[in-house]
Amino acid sequence: AQSVTQPDIHITVSEGASLELRCNYSYGATPYLFWYVQSPGQGLQLLLKYFSGDTLVQGIKGFEAEFKRSQSSFNLRKPSVHWSDAAEYFCAVGARGDQGGKLIFGQGTELSVKP
Amino acid sequence: DAGVTQSPTHLIKTRGQQVTLRCSPKSGHDTVSWYQQALGQGPQFIFQYYEEEERQRGNFPDRFSGHQFPNYSSELNVNALLLGDSALYLCASRKNSEQYFGPGTRLTVT
Repeated sequence: AQSVTQPDIHITVSEGASLELRCNYSYGATPYLFWYVQSPGQGLQLLLKYFSGDTLVQGIKGFEAEFKRSQSSFNLRKPSVHWSDAAEYFCAVGARGDQGGKLIFGQGTELSVKP
Repeated sequence: DAGVTQSPTHLIKTRGQQVTLRCSPKSGHDTVSWYQQALGQGPQFIFQYYEEEERQRGNFPDRFSGHQFPNYSSELNVNALLLGDSALYLCASRKNSEQYFGPGTRLTVT
């Protein structure tokens, strides 16, 4: 079955500290991979995506993610967290043949930032 | 350039009623998808419309139906509302494998 697992429901980091949010997926073939962020009461904003090529992808707001095929993972990282990064983060996968049309999301990781 | 817009923002309905939610895609986008996001969960795919036809459907009952108009805007209809239909309903429009999400409609069923 196709699924996305985000093992950490809630993470708290201090402002200025580094961050890594985990994402593992189960899929028939290498899918398209995405990270979205959702602030309270808001829709989803695309942070970054992986389609092919370099397995380390850069996104907006200083985020990056690394695709590891052998581990079926696509972890999100940021070297120095800002208070404004507090939000819910979702990892998602989509089928290549469908150009990623139907997305399967993880349950999300809520990030809190301590001053 | 306006992004994806949805209306209404909030809605309160009673069990058994019917509801219609609306979505206008980002300019130049021709594919619209709908997702249901229950509290504390990730979004769940409902269906996708392209060229005014339903192209893909998730694991949702027939009470959930939709429509796409020639201008690419879309409606989501839910009949015979259940308490469990309370959620944030997100619309996403797509071009070139990137989906852009609207702010959502918060539906509360009492």
